Amino acid sequence: AQSVTQLDSQVPVFEEAPVELRCNYSSSVSVYLFWYVQYPNQGLQLLLKYLSGSTLVKGINGFEAEFNKSQTSFHLRKPSVHISDTAEYFCAVSDLSGGSNYKLTFGKGTLLTVNP
Amino acid sequence: DGGITQSPKYLFRKEGQNVTLSCEQNLNHDAMYWYRQDPGQGLRLIYYSQIVNDFQKGDIAEGYSVSREKKESFPLTVTSAQKNPTAFYLCASSPSGGNQPQHFGDGTRLSIL
Repeated sequence: AQSVTQLDSQVPVFEEAPVELRCNYSSSVSVYLFWYVQYPNQGLQLLLKYLSGSTLVKGINGFEAEFNKSQTSFHLRKPSVHISDTAEYFCAVSDLSGGSNYKLTFGKGTLLTVNP
Repeated sequence: DGGITQSPKYLFRKEGQNVTLSCEQNLNHDAMYWYRQDPGQGLRLIYYSQIVNDFQKGDIAEGYSVSREKKESFPLTVTSAQKNPTAFYLCASSPSGGNQPQHFGDGTRLSIL
């Protein structure tokens, strides 16, 4: 079975500082990986996805993530954060073991708080 | 604009009462999903449907029921058998295929009176 671990439940940073949100996954087969962002009392919005090809994936709002197969990681980064980036971030994995009935497994989330 | 509409945004349930949460999508997606979100728990899958008139249990299906009579609609009923229903419920949809990202509605917050 697949699983996702987000190593930090909360990450406080100052505005314009760089940030990295860590995500590790476990799966016995090839995976697809996603990062989502959730603002208070809203649904989830896709930030970026890794399907295949280049291991460095660029997403919306200046975020990027790097897929590392040997370390089974998919960490999210942004070189300079803004107050508006304050939100909860979820890493998710989808693997091919379920055949046609695939499922997304989500991590428990990382609350990013950007302080002025 | 295409999207997913969940209603109502806030819902209150009395003890022993069934309630139904609505989810409608106009994205022409084949697959639809229901998740439950609790603080610090991430999202947990309740039910999902890959095609009309077919659905499967997720990880926490007990106390919930669904139907998929139309492609665009996937209502969730929280029954009285669900002993701890207070949570934020999210509906999602996607095209078929494991590499397709899911699109989410804005959620329904259910509380017990």
